[in-house]
Amino acid sequence: QLQLQESGPGLVKPSETLSLTCTVSDGSISSSGYYWGWIRQPPGKGLEWIGSIYYSGSTYYNPSLKSRVTISVDTSKNQFSLKLSSVTAADTAVYYCARHVWGSGYPYYFDYWGQGTLVTVSS
Amino acid sequence: EIVMTQSPATLSVSPGERATLSCRASQSVSNNLAWYQQKPGQAPRLLIYGASTRATGIPARFSGSGSGTEFTLTISSLQSEDFAVYYCQQYNNWPPWTFGQGTKVEIK
Repeated sequence: QLQLQESGPGLVKPSETLSLTCTVSDGSISSSGYYWGWIRQPPGKGLEWIGSIYYSGSTYYNPSLKSRVTISVDTSKNQFSLKLSSVTAADTAVYYCARHVWGSGYPYYFDYWGQGTLVTVSS
Repeated sequence: EIVMTQSPATLSVSPGERATLSCRASQSVSNNLAWYQQKPGQAPRLLIYGASTRATGIPARFSGSGSGTEFTLTISSLQSEDFAVYYCQQYNNWPPWTFGQGTKVEIK
């Protein structure tokens, strides 16, 4: 069964860059038919899609975060990564990575999720 | 951006009873809608996609319906493990892919 695992610092200072990596196991990140996405959830709040990437490097970003987000993929390590720059306290959230299932010409829904990692932005 | 609105925010239901959750889209999303279940401290789990197709391993007591702007998730007979927060997500107009704010199903 496919597994995803987030990793990275749990504490980031304001104005710095948040960096997370998602490692995919028991499956290939290079499989056709899937994008790979990042979703976040502030404490006690709902889900916000951040962005998604294909193994070729093609990306979609949330317009509200686009200026600060970079998602990259490393197929040799079966990993994809998130960088979010100029963070503030509003970026404190549980960050999830997930498989974004490809449908008729574009990604649809998220069928496998990592367990999530809490990132706190604080000095 | 399509705004997804879920109601009610909290639903109090007794075990064995039926639960009906609503999700409304700010404009038509056809049947491009998914439902997720999230328990405390866990990641969301895909329940339904295509508005009415159950994901792999999801019990038949979960059913989805609707199209356009109005959608419903029904849990026919609530089990103890079903008390959780439920989210809808549209994938018709993107980016961004957007989620509702969630409905918490609690024990009455």
